[in-house]
Amino acid sequence: AQKITQTQPGMFVQEKEAVTLDCTYDTSDPSYGLFWYKQPSSGEMIFLIYQGSYDQQNATEGRYSLNFQKARKSANLVISASQLGDSAMYFCAMREGRRGNDYKLSFGAGTTVTVRA
Amino acid sequence: DARVTQTPRHKVTEMGQEVTMRCQPILGHNTVFWYRQTMMQGLELLAYFRNRAPLDDSGMPKDRFSAEMPDATLATLKIQPSEPRDSAVYFCASGLVKGLAGDRFETQYFGPGTRLLVL
Repeated sequence: AQKITQTQPGMFVQEKEAVTLDCTYDTSDPSYGLFWYKQPSSGEMIFLIYQGSYDQQNATEGRYSLNFQKARKSANLVISASQLGDSAMYFCAMREGRRGNDYKLSFGAGTTVTVRA
Repeated sequence: DARVTQTPRHKVTEMGQEVTMRCQPILGHNTVFWYRQTMMQGLELLAYFRNRAPLDDSGMPKDRFSAEMPDATLATLKIQPSEPRDSAVYFCASGLVKGLAGDRFETQYFGPGTRLLVL
């Protein structure tokens, strides 16, 4: 079974608007971490934001925020005030706290975001 | 601004040749990961090192792939012999595990990748 599901293969967003990227996850472990990475056309993987399963507040990093809904197993990324440089592939990933296996990142298939001027 | 570095950035080789990819993790990081990214499979974990010790290489084809950390500043991934199906982008990532009392889920910081094409 897929651990991370990103249902939006591609999205278009107007410059300066906000965009929400969906991510749902599947785990029975009470301890886990959720990550978002950005991969621009240059190919590098850039870490954006992290949310721990026990964190009480939603994570924020500049224009990035994570809408964490634990009961729904949802960790959507919100990019506010989109810029042309935000055009990229975005990956949601999860690490679970199973003893001895807690280093593995499970990645979603990714969502391509294209920002229009 | 500390970054993971990888060399070479691009490699074109012929089937049967040996390929060596190198990675310099961020100074002070104690975990190193090797990933492979393809259109069909997405991102796959190949190997994992903690404090230079290999803890998991179950994702690697054992007969042709090998991963080592000769020292804390260098990780290598070798393919011998290479095959066309090995064509992919290979990423190295590093992180810092601070121990049980710290942030258990350390962030993995990725290098720029090595784009490998085996003809």
